[in-house]
Amino acid sequence: NAGVTQTPKFQVLKTGQSMTLQCAQDMNHEYMSWYRQDPGMGLRLIHYSVGAGITDQGEVPNGYNVSRSTTEDFPLRLLSAAPSQTSVYFCASSRLLAGGPYNEQFFGPGTRLTVL
Amino acid sequence: GIQVEQSPPDLILQEGANSTLRCNFSDSVNNLQWFHQNPWGQLINLFYIPSGTKQNGRLSATTVATERYSLLYISSSQTTDSGVYFCACYSSASKIIFGSGTRLSIRP
Repeated sequence: NAGVTQTPKFQVLKTGQSMTLQCAQDMNHEYMSWYRQDPGMGLRLIHYSVGAGITDQGEVPNGYNVSRSTTEDFPLRLLSAAPSQTSVYFCASSRLLAGGPYNEQFFGPGTRLTVL
Repeated sequence: GIQVEQSPPDLILQEGANSTLRCNFSDSVNNLQWFHQNPWGQLINLFYIPSGTKQNGRLSATTVATERYSLLYISSSQTTDSGVYFCACYSSASKIIFGSGTRLSIRP
């Protein structure tokens, strides 16, 4: 199993550009999520999905879109990049269990994004 | 929403020492998880522990849900234990909230 994969590893954008961060998992997990991590801080939830066709907002969703057309893939789109979106982005996946919407989460290696 | 506080923010220890990291949360949680972020940025699962005690080698964790805290114990620390330790809490109202982490540095 490859686990959770993310591409690209690094990206530099200019203000106003758009791009898509890719995330894929091969563990057949129902739950997938995107986080951002700013320097010296913990992770903050951007968007999440509990299955194909179902997405919802997290703590910091503004400026980002997601879709989930398959169980495996959960891309994150930046519509019009801003310097405030400079961060490290992590994708994660987990099973869904009765009694809780997520179990142990498995993280991808991260994408380091710089917006100039 | 739920507040998650970790202490201490920074901890410097000599190799071989023991340590206790604390995570306090402000409301009842459905799930709690401990992670280690190594110096290369990789996030690694340590424990999924909404309540009770678990052990894995030199690491163990205890969550007392009724008193709203969790503890992570590291015994006989090694330089490879260095990094940042996060706890993350989930409640149905707040979804998942991470603490700001404890940065652990183990000196040889």
